[in-house]
Amino acid sequence: SAVISQKPSRDICQRGTSLTIQCQVDSQVTMMFWYRQQPGQSLTLIATANQGSEATYESGFVIDKFPISRPNLTFSTLTVSNMSPEDSSIYLCSVEWSDGGQTQYFGPGTRLLVL
Amino acid sequence: QKEVEQNSGPLSVPEGAIASLNCTYSDRVSQSFFWYRQYSGKSPELIMSIYSNGDKEDGRFTAQLNKASQYVSLLIRDSQPSDSATYLCAVNSAGGTSYGKLTFGQGTILTVHP
Repeated sequence: SAVISQKPSRDICQRGTSLTIQCQVDSQVTMMFWYRQQPGQSLTLIATANQGSEATYESGFVIDKFPISRPNLTFSTLTVSNMSPEDSSIYLCSVEWSDGGQTQYFGPGTRLLVL
Repeated sequence: QKEVEQNSGPLSVPEGAIASLNCTYSDRVSQSFFWYRQYSGKSPELIMSIYSNGDKEDGRFTAQLNKASQYVSLLIRDSQPSDSATYLCAVNSAGGTSYGKLTFGQGTILTVHP
């Protein structure tokens, strides 16, 4: 499986500001995903990021709020824009690994607290 | 109706017992099914994947899939306190623009007490 890192691991931000989260993979992967896990909740997919194309957003998530970049096959960023306390969550990136199935492996996550 | 639903927890079992975790899903075209374990403060870790009807065993873990009943389960034999975590069922319903999309259940908290 791939080794996935995320930066920052955690942050405390003021409302109205923006934070960019980085996701780095040690191997080239086609599919990368961004998830949100709100306190005490399960994971919700924000968007799918493929290299060379615009990210595909799930219902309830928009590009203006969560712009995503995917400049190459090993890297992606998610920006949380104009943050409010409701954005306090864990943000996770994952990659789909070609092991014969559609297995996804997750990075360590970014814990965001918005004051 | 939730797309992926897990048996309500928390589930508490004694050490050495079998823990049974259940999951149902609504999308009949789902092809891939996964169980993740998530320790508090950590990210989800893949435990098992299953794609065909029947049982799949890996050490103390057995995944069971019944596509006709839209049901997938995870059995943990000889449960250990280190198995105490939240277990997440995830279903992949590939197709359209959502290729590779994982839909997660709400999770079941398992506690294994000595």
